[in-house]
Amino acid sequence: NAGVTQTPKFQVLKTGQSMTLQCAQDMNHEYMSWYRQDPGMGLRLIHYSVGAGITDQGEVPNGYNVSRSTTEDFPLRLLSAAPSQTSVYFCASSRTGYYGYTFGSGTRLTVV
Amino acid sequence: ELKVEQNPLFLSMQEGKNYTIYCNYSTTSDRLYWYRQDPGKSLESLFVLLSNGAVKQEGRLMASLDTKARLSTLHITAAVHDLSATYFCAVDGLIQGAQKLVFGQGTRLTINP
Repeated sequence: NAGVTQTPKFQVLKTGQSMTLQCAQDMNHEYMSWYRQDPGMGLRLIHYSVGAGITDQGEVPNGYNVSRSTTEDFPLRLLSAAPSQTSVYFCASSRTGYYGYTFGSGTRLTVV
Repeated sequence: ELKVEQNPLFLSMQEGKNYTIYCNYSTTSDRLYWYRQDPGKSLESLFVLLSNGAVKQEGRLMASLDTKARLSTLHITAAVHDLSATYFCAVDGLIQGAQKLVFGQGTRLTINP
């Protein structure tokens, strides 16, 4: 049982490049979400999904796209990276109707 | 809109002392969580508080919830260096029909010998 797996752990991008942050869970959790963590601001919700084929925006969605084609995977796409997207990104999952979230180990992204 | 505010944001204390971190939230919620984060690491779940008056304790940490005041506290008793970390509270509930977990800003706790 791997829990929530995020890849890569570290990434450096140049401004304007695109990339996808991967998130996979093996717990059959319906709910998955992406957060970014910046100093002094806690974790802020980017996008979330309540099941395959269903996604919605969180607090800070601009510059990010998501899709949910399977229950297991919830990738986060940066189409044109900007220095303001330098941050640590966490993926989390939860079983709908139950309490408790499982967090991935995080991806540290630097955009230069 | 659900807002979660912690205070203090920074706390430096001596070993052996007691202190409390406060977490206020703006709307009715189902659940409140406390997490610990060490530098460069992910979040470690400490407590889940599910009802008014709930109190949970683990070692030198005790968390409580007052849903009427929309306030949770994390009390540290006789602090030791190993408790140095950043602590987050987070509130979980239905916001505009969707399940969302909203975090406070975090409290960076430093415990000095």
